[in-house]
Amino acid sequence: DQQVKQNSPSLSVQEGRISILNCDYTNSMFDYFLWYKKYPAEGPTFLISISSIKDKNEDGRFTVFLNKSAKHLSLHIVPSQPGDSAVYFCAASEYRTDKLIFGTGTRLQVFP
Amino acid sequence: SQTIHQWPATLVQPVGSPLSLECTVEGTSNPNLYWYRQAAGRGLQLLFYSVGIGQISSEVPQNLSASRPQDRQFILSSKKLLLSDSGFYLCASSWDGELFFGEGSRLTVL
Repeated sequence: DQQVKQNSPSLSVQEGRISILNCDYTNSMFDYFLWYKKYPAEGPTFLISISSIKDKNEDGRFTVFLNKSAKHLSLHIVPSQPGDSAVYFCAASEYRTDKLIFGTGTRLQVFP
Repeated sequence: SQTIHQWPATLVQPVGSPLSLECTVEGTSNPNLYWYRQAAGRGLQLLFYSVGIGQISSEVPQNLSASRPQDRQFILSSKKLLLSDSGFYLCASSWDGELFFGEGSRLTVL
């Protein structure tokens, strides 16, 4: 049972445009959400997080939106850059417990 | 900050052979430790987690086992590898609600 789902396995965006990566979850106990970025043959690195008391969190070019009623979150990257090309994983946990459940990942390709 | 060391980085093993992947953590004491596997179509799957020495929780039934002989050492093992054990294995340590990952170990079972 996949509790965290990323239904788009890949996304291709032109440099300078917005990238929107989506994530859905089924467990209503989740209330802490994170996005990780992963390059091939490397460990994932943390990007941005959001807790359920917020519906938006922004860090530079990265913004995460949370819609608790829809059990949906999204990551916006504006403007997209070629260096953003990577696999992006969303993850969820019950508030600040350490056991993160990851989605299946979305491969983002930013082309010039 | 935490530093996570994983080795070997790459491993090619025949079916039926044993496996030992090691992970050590620097920069923190009594960390929670995790083994994840990245597999196609399944993202990052949590295999094991440990909250202390000798305390291991298994998330999925499988051909693998984990041990934590020391506070900052986490080992992933198998007595007899299967083809389906091939994948990219990641050790992780947590701090303040975030996971920090090692560089990963690519296992190919032939």
